[in-house]
Amino acid sequence: GAVVSQHPSWVICKSGTSVKIECRSLDFQATTMFWYRQFPKQSLMLMATSNEGSKATYEQGVEKDKFLINHASLTLSTLTVTSAHPEDSSFYICSGKGLLADSYNEQFFGPGTRLTVL
Amino acid sequence: DAKTTQPPSMDCAEGRAANLPCNHSTISGNEYVYWYRQIHSQGPQYIIHGLKNNETNEMASLIITEDRKSSTLILPHATLRDTAVYYCIVRAINNDMRFGAGTRLTVKP
Repeated sequence: GAVVSQHPSWVICKSGTSVKIECRSLDFQATTMFWYRQFPKQSLMLMATSNEGSKATYEQGVEKDKFLINHASLTLSTLTVTSAHPEDSSFYICSGKGLLADSYNEQFFGPGTRLTVL
Repeated sequence: DAKTTQPPSMDCAEGRAANLPCNHSTISGNEYVYWYRQIHSQGPQYIIHGLKNNETNEMASLIITEDRKSSTLILPHATLRDTAVYYCIVRAINNDMRFGAGTRLTVKP
């Protein structure tokens, strides 16, 4: 399967600061990228979907001004958590979907980024 | 997309087959059954998917009932490294992946 990377793999920040998480599709062009959030002992919850060059579509209850998503190229999407607070501490996972010759419009997931806000 | 129901947890002895059930009684004709797993603190890993025929790959087998209202993921020889949360997802081809609670499989020595 195709490879998706995330950077950083973990980050600790102070309350009130902003944190940027990068998601890259390494061997395919991701026309659509997805961002998920996972709290301890819970399932993944979809936060937003973004198509390259377009504004992201956010799920209900997700603040678009707090979680800024940029998908400026077919291989890179970024999630910026602005003015982070301890309740934003979570595991953030991105996923890319693109056009691959042997895929059924699959989504490929990154390894996740653990954010801890002090 | 159709909703899925999975048991919250299962145990399996190392070396034995692990059979993980999933109910998706409201599945539509254009919806596929996908299985992913998530090992602790990692991103989800694709296992297998199918539409109506049984499927097999190097990781697992997927058995889908004739009425497509349920399926079973089979790990033929479970190892300790197969301990993970297994997610059964039903989705149409262009829709995004939405995760339920999954089944926490514990493989025991």
